[in-house]
Amino acid sequence: DVKVTQSSRYLVKRTGEKVFLECVQDMDHENMFWYRQDPGLGLRLIYFSYDVKMKEKGDIPEGYSVSREKKERFSLILESASTNQTSMYLCASSLSGREAGRDEQFFGPGTRLTVL
Amino acid sequence: QKEVEQNSGPLSVPEGAIASLNCTYSDRGSQSFFWYRQYSGKSPELIMSIYSNGDKEDGRFTAQLNKASQYVSLLIRDSQPSDSATYLCAVGFSGGYNKLIFGAGTRLAVHP
Repeated sequence: DVKVTQSSRYLVKRTGEKVFLECVQDMDHENMFWYRQDPGLGLRLIYFSYDVKMKEKGDIPEGYSVSREKKERFSLILESASTNQTSMYLCASSLSGREAGRDEQFFGPGTRLTVL
Repeated sequence: QKEVEQNSGPLSVPEGAIASLNCTYSDRGSQSFFWYRQYSGKSPELIMSIYSNGDKEDGRFTAQLNKASQYVSLLIRDSQPSDSATYLCAVGFSGGYNKLIFGAGTRLAVHP
């Protein structure tokens, strides 16, 4: 089974702090994704990575950056946390390619971040 | 802007009935379609993938795809209270990178 883990289930930070969210997958997946989920807004893609050291902006990248130094690990960084970044953060991973099944995304348990 | 539309619900069905969840999408080039189940406070869990027109059955779940109508549905037979959750429809983005576009979800409530 695919396993995606995230470093924290719950996190409380103060405005202006630098925040690191870590995600690790154990299935040798090429693609990794960071989403945030807010009531009424659904899942929104922040950043994704299709290879080590490669990254692409998603729909809402402002205020975030990412790092992928190893294939299994994808980090989301909030450079200076703000209250409007209070949200559920979800990491996902998938294989790459066009064959059926290769774009199935598997999610980690999520990190509920509160910024005070 | 590629979109995936779902009725937000709640869809309320009695235990043992068939629950029917629907989804439409705008990206005509999409080739992959998924249903995720999300319990309150938890992360989405993949329950069905479908890539070809027609029906795909897995236990009590049946996914139906009609690419011409840009429509995908999920049927849950013999609904149980444990099926009460939000169901997210996701569609593969035709522009590459294996990105998925998610709908906002339909909340299903199965009452005894």
